[in-house]
Amino acid sequence: EVQLVESGGGLVQPGGSLRLSCAASGFTVGSNYMTWVRRAPGRGLEWVSIIYSGENIYYADSVMGRFTISRDNSRNTLFLQMNSLRVEDTAVYYCAGGEISVVHIFDYWGQGTLVTVSS
Amino acid sequence: QAVVTQEPSLTVSPGGTVTLTCGSSTGPVTSGHYPYWFQQKPGQAPRTLIYDTTKKHSWTPARFSGSLLGGKAALTLSGAQPEDEAEYHCLLSYSGARLWVFGGGTKLTVL
Repeated sequence: EVQLVESGGGLVQPGGSLRLSCAASGFTVGSNYMTWVRRAPGRGLEWVSIIYSGENIYYADSVMGRFTISRDNSRNTLFLQMNSLRVEDTAVYYCAGGEISVVHIFDYWGQGTLVTVSS
Repeated sequence: QAVVTQEPSLTVSPGGTVTLTCGSSTGPVTSGHYPYWFQQKPGQAPRTLIYDTTKKHSWTPARFSGSLLGGKAALTLSGAQPEDEAEYHCLLSYSGARLWVFGGGTKLTVL
């Protein structure tokens, strides 16, 4: 059974940093496509970032230059380093992943971790 | 940047049929946008129902189906059940899968 478990969320002041983790079991992070999606209060889902094979990485304009996606294959874990956080980054952050195909990227989802950016 | 549009809310009677749509500001939605449909209930993570326009996962109830309809992606629910009351999100791919854009979501009420 595939399980993705996010952690690292919490309360942070504007301008601060957080690193989210997404630990996988029954699934190999390094051999699949992985992505981060968020949902802000009262808003819809927003795609954040994606890492394909060969380390091809892309970001939404809203986080470009502030967020960095990465993975540690030895720990079978996906990360999202979030810097220069803004109030509007407040959201539940989900990791998702699937086999190496653009039609399977969002097969599996974690339960989410809440990030609150507030002074 | 592309904007993806969905109906904000829809209502369907139990046992009834409803179609949710997903449009793109850049033009007709095609299979090249790799349309996805997700179901999300309050306090839960999204769950993928449809991928690649029409394909279903093993966990997708048979009453859900995906298609292209009038230049949009569509999710049709035939024989609505009370447990189908949820928010439904579509997702489209742009620029060779370098950019993914969600629609605003459709809140579906079964009443």
